Amino acid sequence: SQTIHQWPATLVQPVGSPLSLECTVEGTSNPNLYWYRQAAGRGLQLLFYSVGIGQISSEVPQNLSASRPQDRQFILSSKKLLLSDSGFYLCASATQEGSEAFFGQGTRLTVV
Amino acid sequence: RKEVEQDPGPFNVPEGATVAFNCTYSNSASQSFFWYRQDCRKEPKLLMSVYSSGNEDGRFTAQLNRASQYISLLIRDSKLSDSATYLCVVYTGGFKTIFGAGTRLFVKA
Repeated sequence: SQTIHQWPATLVQPVGSPLSLECTVEGTSNPNLYWYRQAAGRGLQLLFYSVGIGQISSEVPQNLSASRPQDRQFILSSKKLLLSDSGFYLCASATQEGSEAFFGQGTRLTVV
Repeated sequence: RKEVEQDPGPFNVPEGATVAFNCTYSNSASQSFFWYRQDCRKEPKLLMSVYSSGNEDGRFTAQLNRASQYISLLIRDSKLSDSATYLCVVYTGGFKTIFGAGTRLFVKA
């Protein structure tokens, strides 16, 4: 089965600072990759998905961006963090549309 | 109307009880359905897929009602370890997988 590595586990960043979260996938090739954000007590909000290297689709307009420089690497970035960017960020991988998603352990980001 | 709606709970039940959760979805063209489990401050993990004919995995039974657009999860003989948040997940096509906000379950001794 797939293994999703995501780091760091927790992060405290000041407003206006940049962000880079990395996710790597083992155990599969050419996966569909996703970035989700979960606010406290809320469902998962899809931020970005990617079907291949260099292919990124954004679901929600915001000051975040994503990149996929390699088949099994997915990066979430921001140039300037906002307080509202705080949340639990989850990277996920699926072999195809609509199939089971495997999640990384998540990054809990607090913007102060 | 939210695309996927769940009762947030919490459901507080004693060990050994049977508990059921429902989840409604708004898109009649939804294709796939799942229940995920999420422990506190952890990532979600697949509990079970939900098939049109219904499916059972040990103490867990999932049902799909397309006419009424809801899915259900039944847990029999609840264990302390079942305490978690249960997320209803609906795939509507085109990379659009919608996660519900979850139903919290507390099983007490």
